This record gives sequence, C-alpha cells and structure tokens, in this order.
Amino acid sequence: DTEVTQTPKHLVMGMTNKKSLKCEQHMGHRAMYWYKQKAKKPPELMFVYSYEKLSINESVPSRFSPECPNSSLLNLHLHALQPEDSALYLCASSQEGQEYGYTFGSGTRLTVV
Amino acid sequence: GDSVTQMEGPVTLSEEAFLTINCTYTATGYPSLFWYVQYPGEGLQLLLKATKADDKGSNKGFEATYRKETTSFHLEKGSVQVSDSAVYFCALSDLYNFNKFYFGSGTKLNVKP
Repeated sequence: DTEVTQTPKHLVMGMTNKKSLKCEQHMGHRAMYWYKQKAKKPPELMFVYSYEKLSINESVPSRFSPECPNSSLLNLHLHALQPEDSALYLCASSQEGQEYGYTFGSGTRLTVV
Repeated sequence: GDSVTQMEGPVTLSEEAFLTINCTYTATGYPSLFWYVQYPGEGLQLLLKATKADDKGSNKGFEATYRKETTSFHLEKGSVQVSDSAVYFCALSDLYNFNKFYFGSGTKLNVKP
C-alpha cells in the first residue's frame, strides 16, 4: 500500500458546524502532515506529527485542531470556521530523513458557507 | 532561510515541444530537491528528486539535475503531451529540519494539441 487516503473528498459546512477530516496511511511512515492549499498557490504547512506527537504548529488558529490517534491515522477537527478557511486540505506522510519526500493524499475540498 | 523560486506561469506549449521550467533555491546546508506535479482536482504527486549535487532525477520523460554551483534544479522534458498539463512545484527539504518542506510558487503548464 503506497497511498495516503483522505476522507471525505468534498465537504460543505456551516460556520457553526463541527466536522472532521480523516487521513490514513499504511506505509509505516512516522511523520504526518496537514497542509492547506488555496487556489493557484502552493501548499502551506499547518501541522506536523512525528512519532504521533505534534512537533510543528505553524501558528494555526485554534478552530483547527489536529489529532493523531495512532501511527496510521491523522485527523483534523474543524469548529467555527470562517468562509476564508475554504480550501483544499492535504494530508501527507513521509519517512524520517530529508531525502525521501512526501506522499500526499488527494485532499479534501472544504467549502465553508 | 531556505526558499525556492520558480519561473512565473502559465507556460503554454504545443504538443511535442521542449519544456523547461526554471527553479532556483536558497539553502544553508545541502538540501534534497524535488519536483511535484498536481493535476486538476488532485493532490501533489512526487515526479522526481535528487539528493546531492550533480544527481539527475528522472521519471516519465522528465529530468532535472541538481546544480550546486548555480543553485538550480530546472525541470525539462523533450516532448510534452497534452496529458502533461498540470501545475508543477519545485521543493526542497532541509537536512536540519526535514519535516519542513519549502515549496516554490508553482508553474502552470498548458499543452495544446
């Protein structure tokens, strides 16, 4: 299995809703990432988990809450989002080491109404 | 700090034309370099990589050579196809903080039949 699987593929939520994005990989990668990508822009790093512990938080608003229940799963809990949070949310994973690069999922297209 | 600079797009070519997308980088150490491709509505896919100076990465007819003296990693393909239409991102991974990728701004390639 060489994939990162993200669910759902599309999500529309209201500003008062609570929802979660899910990400799963079975490649044995010990680093997992959440990125946010706006149209025509490169991905922006949000969070990094290394060995199931949060190692990087790029000053993301608290309405985004990551969780890593085990080495294969990564969640992103969403609450009280704003319309400007609408974007493509990408999950990625990697082996430890600079030479490996990331494996990305296909993303969740989030629309906040 | 580390950074990646890509040529502005969009780049529009006819099928079978030669492609070059320029990428230069700034890094304090000896980074690994990557090209990712993003097709419409999808996540990023690793296209090729190079982990040390003078290495050449190649995949699907695309090539890029890690040039330390010019701090460049230009992407080339001898004969593009309509199916190569996508956004291409150059990226680097730092030896001292490999959990943080630095992406270029992306270059959109349009190939016309």
